[in-house]
Formats: sequence, C-alpha cells, structure tokens
Amino acid sequence: SQQGEEDPQALSIQEGENATMNCSYKTSINNLQWYRQNSGRGLVHLILIRSNEREKHSGRLRVTLDTSKKSSSLLITASRAADTASYFCATDAIGNEKLTFGTGTRLTIIP
Amino acid sequence: EPEVTQTPSHQVTQMGQEVILRCVPISNHLYFYWYRQILGQKVEFLVSFYNNEISEKSEIFDDQFSVERPDGSNFTLKIRSTKLEDSAMYFCASMDQGSRQPQHFGDGTRLSIL
Repeated sequence: SQQGEEDPQALSIQEGENATMNCSYKTSINNLQWYRQNSGRGLVHLILIRSNEREKHSGRLRVTLDTSKKSSSLLITASRAADTASYFCATDAIGNEKLTFGTGTRLTIIP
Repeated sequence: EPEVTQTPSHQVTQMGQEVILRCVPISNHLYFYWYRQILGQKVEFLVSFYNNEISEKSEIFDDQFSVERPDGSNFTLKIRSTKLEDSAMYFCASMDQGSRQPQHFGDGTRLSIL
C-alpha cells in the first residue's frame, strides 16, 4: 500500500451519529494533518497533530495518532449534513514539508 | 480569516498551448506549493518554493513546468506545452514559517486540456 491510506473509502451515516475515519502511513512522519474537501472545491485544513502528540481535539473533531502502528483516526461527533465531504490525511517528514496525501474517505451524512 | 486565492477557477486550453495558473498566497507566508489532483485520484505534490527558489520538485514536475513569484504577492505555475494528461485540479498552498505549521490551500484551478 502507499503512504497514506484511509479507510473506509466511503462511509454513510445518519445525522447525529459519530463518524470515524482511519489513516495508515508507512514512513516516519513529522506531522499528520487532516483536510476536508467538498465536491469540486479546495482542501480545508481541519487539524494538525505532531508526531509527539497522541490526541488532539478541535470542536467536534478528535484526532488520535499512534506512531507505533503508523496510524491515525479522525472522529467527527454529532455529525451534521454539512459534514458531507471527502476527508484526507496528509503527512510530512522531518526536514521535508511536502505533503503526501492519502486516498481519502468519502463521508455522506444522511439527514 | 486570510486565505489563498487562485485564478482562474476553470481553464480550458488546447493541447500544446501554454497555460499560466495564478495564486495569491496568504500575505505573511514564506513557503509555497503546487499540488494537483487528477479526477478521482490522490492529491499529488508538484513543487515547493522558498526564498525565491524551488526547494523540491516531484517527478511530475518536468521541464514543461515552471514556477515564479514575479512580485511580492503572486505565485504562478506555468505549463509550456500542455498535454491531455495535464488535465487536473491544480492547488496552490502556502505555509507560515516553522516546522509545525499547516499548509493552507486555495480552491484550485480546474484545467481541462482539449
């Protein structure tokens, strides 16, 4: 598999439920970031977690990072219809800030 | 909140023609990037730019591509002789200095090569 693989590829849930998306990567990282992309639009930065951090919160978002398993998860609590989008993880390495993106999870919130 | 702006939002060009994609990064940012996303595929890194020079480029960024920061605000990507496979969304991003900063992306330019 390539650096940055999300699963599931697609997720549909009812409004109000929690959504969890996972990301795995292969090489050592400096930071891991999560982005949202609405259809045909740009990438909106959601949250950055550093390699020495294990968990981070921002509003309804909770991100975890397990560097021993080279994986991260993004939890969106109390989902809303407006959360419908694709979500990508992106990693960068120490001394190299170019981002390597995952394949993305397409999240659909059913009203 | 400051944002990265890209123009045009959609560019349609004949194969073989030159195209210039424009970006205005966030004003106090020092690092600039271009990425592209072919329809249905991953976002791919093209090039990074710092201190008026390319700091890294990918295999995609061959000699048909060039970047420029002609003044204090614009950052451009030029494709000299476009090919059909250059059709993609092109995203500009900028980042403040510091190793733990997020990259902020524009809304992209959809480039369609006919």
